[in-house]
Amino acid sequence: EVQLVESGGGLVQPGGSLRLSCAASGFTFSRYWMHWVRQAPGKGLVWVSRIDSDGSYTNYADSVKGRFTISRDNAKNTLYLQMNSLRVEDTAVYYCARDLTPTLGATDYWGQGTLVTVSS
Amino acid sequence: QSALTQPASVSGSPRQSITISCTGTSSDVGSYNFVSWYQQHPVKAPKLLIYDVSKRPSGVSNRFSGSKSGNTASLTISGLQAEDEADYYCCSYAGTNTVVFGGGTKLAVL
Repeated sequence: EVQLVESGGGLVQPGGSLRLSCAASGFTFSRYWMHWVRQAPGKGLVWVSRIDSDGSYTNYADSVKGRFTISRDNAKNTLYLQMNSLRVEDTAVYYCARDLTPTLGATDYWGQGTLVTVSS
Repeated sequence: QSALTQPASVSGSPRQSITISCTGTSSDVGSYNFVSWYQQHPVKAPKLLIYDVSKRPSGVSNRFSGSKSGNTASLTISGLQAEDEADYYCCSYAGTNTVVFGGGTKLAVL
């Protein structure tokens, strides 16, 4: 059974940093592109970032470019999101999701999310 | 990377059909047949319903169907059931390995 379990969320002050993790199991993690998607409280889904299967290529939404870094450790079956220079508007539940290869843009499995709250 | 446009809410009665629209631009929906749809119940993770405009993953009811014309994609739910009450999001590939979601549509089954 495919499982994605996010962790690392919490309360952080504006300007602070946080690293999210997503532990994957039940599939060959190293074969799949992965995504981060966020959802602010009461709001819609917003795509954040994606990384290819071996970590060579990454892409970001304009709103996080230069502040967030996506990475992965295929030996540990884990996806990461390093978030720096956090802003109040980054407050959201952050989901990791598996790419539905070979199509583009769709994701077939999601974790339950981890809440990041940016507040002073 | 502007969000795709969806109606904020739609409603229907049990056994009826409803359609949710999703309007993008020639840079996303209009350029690629990579539109997907997700269902999200409260406090739950999103669930993939449709990908590649009209394909259904294994296990998704055939009451859900998708289509596209120009810059607008649509999700149709036939034979509405109470458990279909949820938020629905469209999503499109937007080039250079980026993705854009719609703002979401709340479906009420009256």
